[in-house]
Amino acid sequence: DAGVIQSPRHEVTEMGQEVTLRCKPISGHNSLFWYRQTMMRGLELLIYFNNNVPIDDSGMPEDRFSAKMPNASFSTLKIQPSEPRDSAVYFCASRRENEKLFFGSGTQLSVL
Amino acid sequence: AQTVTQSQPEMSVQEAETVTLSCTYDTSESDYYLFWYKQPPSRQMILVIRQEAYKQQNATENRFSVNFQKAAKSFSLKISDSQLGDAAMYFCAYSSYNNNDMRFGAGTRLTVKP
Repeated sequence: DAGVIQSPRHEVTEMGQEVTLRCKPISGHNSLFWYRQTMMRGLELLIYFNNNVPIDDSGMPEDRFSAKMPNASFSTLKIQPSEPRDSAVYFCASRRENEKLFFGSGTQLSVL
Repeated sequence: AQTVTQSQPEMSVQEAETVTLSCTYDTSESDYYLFWYKQPPSRQMILVIRQEAYKQQNATENRFSVNFQKAAKSFSLKISDSQLGDAAMYFCAYSSYNNNDMRFGAGTRLTVKP
């Protein structure tokens, strides 16, 4: 298995632009998670899905952030419009229920 | 939502010595899972150890062991015979049995001195 696949690995954009991060979970995993990592706040849970349904999006910082999971093999996290304070590493992760969490390699986002 | 607290932003240990990283959590649930993950500079997230709350026996993986105190809601990680390769950020995590979510603490950066 190729593991959790995230793209892009790096994204540099200008303030006000739309940013879309993509994730392909491991086949057979029924839960998908989006996290944001910063020095100040550590690893924050933004949103997670069970069986493609969003369960808890209370960690999404603002309405500028949205996430979708149209099917079991794909999810997106979108920021529109982006701001410099959104600069962070964004991780996608997946797992089977109550088992080990597998992480993607993360997307380093820089908003100038 | 449950919260996970790691009160030590940074720790250091001498090579071959033992170090303990602290973690506490807040929950009203009786069934849950606890994890420690390691993140080296490569940014990869690596599972170190996992503990089921219903098990009284502390989990052990080679040089890594935990001290799970359910009543105190404490879950510390002990690294014995520290090696240079243990230098990394360590995250404690809580997973709800009912909701299947997974929440992390802020992390502890471990430095290993030769």
